[in-house]
Amino acid sequence: DIQMTQSPSSLSASVGDRVTITCRASQGISDYLAWFQQKPGKAPKSLIYDASRLQSGVPSRFSGSGSGTYFTLTISSLQPEDFATYYCQQYRTYPLTFGGGTKVEIK
Amino acid sequence: EVQLVESGGALVQPGGSLRLSCAASGFTLSNYWMSWVRQTPEKGLEWVANIKQDGSETYYVDSVKGRFTLSRDNIRNSLFLRVNSLRAEDTAVYYCARGRFRGGATYFDLWGLGTLVTVSS
Repeated sequence: DIQMTQSPSSLSASVGDRVTITCRASQGISDYLAWFQQKPGKAPKSLIYDASRLQSGVPSRFSGSGSGTYFTLTISSLQPEDFATYYCQQYRTYPLTFGGGTKVEIK
Repeated sequence: EVQLVESGGALVQPGGSLRLSCAASGFTLSNYWMSWVRQTPEKGLEWVANIKQDGSETYYVDSVKGRFTLSRDNIRNSLFLRVNSLRAEDTAVYYCARGRFRGGATYFDLWGLGTLVTVSS
């Protein structure tokens, strides 16, 4: 199975900060990497697929990059509604696997 | 409105069974792969199973093979997960998710709110 490792597991940031979350795959997954946002009690929301493609309706302050085993999710200017937990997911092969999550908290 | 609504979660004893359902609305279910993903505070998100648009292919995580069965009814816009021989480690919130096939498998572009399955005596 492909292991997905996210870092950090949590971070504190202020509104307006630039935030970067990393996701590493235990083996190469090309660009078959998605990012999700989840708020407490809410359904996960898809943000990015194919490592860098923004889902329709997702603000442009979100961006993704990477290929192979190393990926990043960047929020260029953190907004109040962005405080949430973020997950990566690989879909190169079964079983589909997720990172452990990064909780973004208010500083 | 495009949405997925899960139901069927309950408290069940070890060894018991449940049928989870997912009602799709606002889109044509037959156009999409569909999935179940579960979540616990301890293990995080875990993919459980996938089913192709016409039901001709299904995939499962090893820990549920032989115990869980995924099916769909495209006429009724519904997805089902039959869960048998339940174990304590199956306790989780179960999410229905819509899949987009890319590369070798799917990512999820729409999720439901989830239904809670608790396995305990």
